[in-house]
Amino acid sequence: DAGITQSPRHKVTETGTPVTLRCHQTENHRYMYWYRQDPGHGLRLIHYSYGVKDTDKGEVSDGYSVSRSKTEDFLLTLESATSSQTSVYFCAISDGQIDNSPLHFGNGTRLTVT
Amino acid sequence: AQKITQTQPGMFVQEKEAVTLDCTYDTSDPSYGLFWYKQPSSGEMIFLIYQGSYDQQNATEGRYSLNFQKARKSANLVISASQLGDSAMYFCAMSYTQGGSEKLVFGKGTKLTVNP
Repeated sequence: DAGITQSPRHKVTETGTPVTLRCHQTENHRYMYWYRQDPGHGLRLIHYSYGVKDTDKGEVSDGYSVSRSKTEDFLLTLESATSSQTSVYFCAISDGQIDNSPLHFGNGTRLTVT
Repeated sequence: AQKITQTQPGMFVQEKEAVTLDCTYDTSDPSYGLFWYKQPSSGEMIFLIYQGSYDQQNATEGRYSLNFQKARKSANLVISASQLGDSAMYFCAMSYTQGGSEKLVFGKGTKLTVNP
């Protein structure tokens, strides 16, 4: 299994509070991604990174920011959590371009915003 | 717009039989990749199989094969000799290029139940 650790695994927070989710990899892969999974929507890309300090937006980036100061860590921040951000968040990594390199996923973080 | 469609919300199969999970895609890119992932009830996402758009032969990985029909834009997953452990959600995904960046889009998934 790819060495990907997401923390925390579960979190409950109140509307309006900031939340940071962490993804840590031990594979030295260049590319890292944050997805959210919701019933009826499959997985949707929030943000991704193609190197240290190099990030870009995905299809559902509003309300989220990311940072990657080291190869191994990719942080996802909800600046002011809303109930619509209740979801399961997956971090993924790949060692090459996405058109021919599979993603390897972490075990997910279940976030509940009350 | 790039899109993946999985038309089967749920599928049932008897143990030891083969099953096909449908996936159609829409893209104007000449170069793309097609992937299948499995998500058991425990929640993790597991990569199963990959097919490149220029690959001449269908991809196979053990009991998994990808029936790639480029003209029909379909990339169906075939699981042979189903096992109880194959019960899971299955997601089809496609890579594409947008604004110079490569991204991956997922279908909404098919829930497979293998009956004993």
